[in-house]
Amino acid sequence: EVQLLESGGGLVQPGGSLTLSCTASGFAFSESALSWVRQAPGKGLEWVSTVGTADDTYYLDSVKDRFTVSRDISKNMLYLQMNSLRADDTALYYCAKNPVGDFLDSWGQGALVTVSP
Amino acid sequence: EIVLTQSPATLSLSPRERATLSCRASQSVGSSLAWYQQNPGQAPRLLISDASNRATGIPARFSGSGSGTDFTLTISSLEPEDFAVYYCHQRSKWPWTFGQGTTVGVK
Repeated sequence: EVQLLESGGGLVQPGGSLTLSCTASGFAFSESALSWVRQAPGKGLEWVSTVGTADDTYYLDSVKDRFTVSRDISKNMLYLQMNSLRADDTALYYCAKNPVGDFLDSWGQGALVTVSP
Repeated sequence: EIVLTQSPATLSLSPRERATLSCRASQSVGSSLAWYQQNPGQAPRLLISDASNRATGIPARFSGSGSGTDFTLTISSLEPEDFAVYYCHQRSKWPWTFGQGTTVGVK
């Protein structure tokens, strides 16, 4: 069974930093791309970032140069390092897996990030 | 970026009725479009990939169609658990984008 478990969310002041982690199990971690998708309170889904199987990375323009996605294959872990956080980064952050050439077929339950003074 | 516009925003129907949801892309995405269902307090669930392929374990009452810029998700006969929010999503071009969602509510 595929499992994705996010951690590391919390309250952070504007301009602060936070790193989210996603622990993965139940699938061939090295053979799947992985993504972060966020959902602001009461709003829709917004794709944030993807790391491919060759460690190629992709970002939403509004987080480029502030967020960094990475993976540790030895630990089956996905990370999202978030710097210079802003109020509009407040959201529930989901990690999701997308097999190469496919869509987001499994999701975690999310980690809440709140950016507030 | 490719903008996905879903309609209607809200659909009010009764159980066993047919639901038809639309997603229009601002430029062609080919068949690189998916549909997700999200129930309150839960993570999204993949329903349809590549415009018309049901994901593993998805009931046959869910079907997807379309290509290019116009796509449809049809639920042939609504079950109680189908009242939820539905999102379309394109992965044709970066940045990936989602539609704003359609809420299927009980009439």
